[in-house]
Amino acid sequence: GAVVSQHPSRVICKSGTSVKIECRSLDFQATTMFWYRQFPKQSLMLMATSNEGSKATYEQGVEKDKFLINHASLTLSTLTVTSAHPEDSSFYICSASPPWGGGGPLGGETQYFGPGTRLLVL
Amino acid sequence: KNEVEQSPQNLTAQEGEFITINCSYSVGISALHWLQQHPGGGIVSLFMLSSGKKKHGRLIATINIQEKHSSLHITASHPRDSAVYICAAPISNFGNEKLTFGTGTRLTIIP
Repeated sequence: GAVVSQHPSRVICKSGTSVKIECRSLDFQATTMFWYRQFPKQSLMLMATSNEGSKATYEQGVEKDKFLINHASLTLSTLTVTSAHPEDSSFYICSASPPWGGGGPLGGETQYFGPGTRLLVL
Repeated sequence: KNEVEQSPQNLTAQEGEFITINCSYSVGISALHWLQQHPGGGIVSLFMLSSGKKKHGRLIATINIQEKHSSLHITASHPRDSAVYICAAPISNFGNEKLTFGTGTRLTIIP
């Protein structure tokens, strides 16, 4: 089956530093990748949608200059949390949507989730 | 009001019991996901279905598009089934892949 990996799985950093999280689709090409954030005991919240080769689309309230997304290839998207602060501490999850999901009867709904990255900013 | 609602929010059951988690949504959708999130946070996609029923091992998912309702069933529940179960659907726009998530159901299976 389709596999999505994330790296690192957890990271601890000092306030003010930048952290890069990678999301890779291992056995399929992902035309679209999604980045989510989840605070403790809350549901996943979509941060942005990225399509390979184009700028990411950010959800309302998400600062694009703070959360830099680069979808440079069909198998890799990166999320960089710039100048991280303790309030950025959260669980970041990516998902990837393969092109076959867009061609079938279910449209583009197929998504495969990464295992998540737990960020702690001290 | 959340467009995707789940019930119950918390469910504790004895090992072996039959488990049902419900999900209802307020607008028409083309498909619905059931996800499992383990205590460490990792998410596994269990099902994506647009009609009828799907079965995988001890898990069964059903959906009634007309009634805007889906259920996830677990037969012969086991402590390793303890997790948060989340339903999600692309609510905002037809054909848009953005998912709207339910608040999750925390399932605890006691040995």
